[in-house]
Amino acid sequence: QQQVKQSPQSLIVQKGGISIINCAYENTAFDYFPWYQQFPGKGPALLIAIRPDVSEKKEGRFTISFNKSAKQFSLHIMDSQPGDSATYFCAASTTGNQFYFGTGTSLTVIP
Amino acid sequence: NAGVMQNPRHLVRRRGQEARLRCSPMKGHSHVYWYRQLPEEGLKFMVYLQKENIIDESGMPKERFSAEFPKEGPSILRIQQVVRGDSAAYFCASTPTGGTSPLHFGNGTRLTVT
Repeated sequence: QQQVKQSPQSLIVQKGGISIINCAYENTAFDYFPWYQQFPGKGPALLIAIRPDVSEKKEGRFTISFNKSAKQFSLHIMDSQPGDSATYFCAASTTGNQFYFGTGTSLTVIP
Repeated sequence: NAGVMQNPRHLVRRRGQEARLRCSPMKGHSHVYWYRQLPEEGLKFMVYLQKENIIDESGMPKERFSAEFPKEGPSILRIQQVVRGDSAAYFCASTPTGGTSPLHFGNGTRLTVT
């Protein structure tokens, strides 16, 4: 059973556009929601994370929106750049337990 | 400040051989996670360990796979009698505490079974 469902599987965006990736979860005990960025041949790297006591967190061009009642969270990449082309994973966890990852979104930003 | 170190980066084994993957967590991190990734797929949880303890091995096949994180030295993921289906990238990640502290990943070991 997939604990965290991620969509879309792939995304193509023009340079300067907004990239939006969505995730949904079922377990209301989750209390930490990170996003990871992975380039080919590399391990995933933490991009930004949010806890359920806030509805939005922004770091530079990256924003997480969190909807606790809908059990959904999303990553927005503003002014998308070709260098943002990578695979993005959402995840969820609870204290002392494992992290559950979404299936990933392959983002391509066209110059 | 060295990150999570995994070795080897690439490992080729023939069917039936043993594969040993090593992971040295970041300094000060005592929690280690192992994940498997197949091409075009996500990260599949395998096992979560603390020093000398297996906390959660629910994602690890019961046959042929084992993991340890001794008091001294790296964490080891061992795959005995490898089969072609074991070919994948195996990632290790560490945190200072489990769960809600950021995971730091290594660059993985790419296992190819011929």
